[in-house]
Amino acid sequence: DGGITQSPKYLFRKEGQNVTLSCEQNLNHDAMYWYRQDPGQGLRLIYYSQIVNDFQKGDIAEGYSVSREKKESFPLTVTSAQKNPTAFYLCASSPGTSGFGETQYFGPGTRLLVL
Amino acid sequence: AQSVTQLGSHVSVSEGALVLLRCNYSSSVPPYLFWYVQYPNQGLQLLLKYTSAATLVKGINGFEAEFKKSETSFHLTKPSAHMSDAAEYFCAVSPDFGNEKLTFGTGTRLTIIP
Repeated sequence: DGGITQSPKYLFRKEGQNVTLSCEQNLNHDAMYWYRQDPGQGLRLIYYSQIVNDFQKGDIAEGYSVSREKKESFPLTVTSAQKNPTAFYLCASSPGTSGFGETQYFGPGTRLLVL
Repeated sequence: AQSVTQLGSHVSVSEGALVLLRCNYSSSVPPYLFWYVQYPNQGLQLLLKYTSAATLVKGINGFEAEFKKSETSFHLTKPSAHMSDAAEYFCAVSPDFGNEKLTFGTGTRLTIIP
């Protein structure tokens, strides 16, 4: 079945530690996205990529980094510079490169907790 | 900048009653509008999408939404609520050109009373 997988389901971060969240899709989509979800705030865009080897900052990119070396993979690193990383992280993809009006398909999410 | 307002962060309805979740948008260009549903600790699933082909959009699980340009609204309805409808619902807007991406509302949590 085609879809988006995210791992791990739960992730614990220690103070000063960088952690990486995995996102893989087998939908052959060009565009991929990372969102952060906090209670009562909806979804906020962290980074997005419309093509391999290229990505753009979203609304809340500070303290995060990404790479897009393969079409099917878009990992997100939460760095130690992100002082409030506790949240639910959602990865999404959409078919084309324009992003306009395209349906985004979401993975099951990763919940990041700070120890 | 485009924006989405969802009136009511929590809505409770009795099983079998009408479900009405409100969404108003702001966009300087013709919009695409979406409703997504999220069950606890899961990702978002598309319920329906407005693309200007028809103002009344039918989605999955018996939901539908009507685009009203004069009211800048895209409210979600379902005639008869079922226990399985309990979830969080997000309205989102995307322009058909420009620099802005998909923008989400803050969500409405729907509770179904037996």
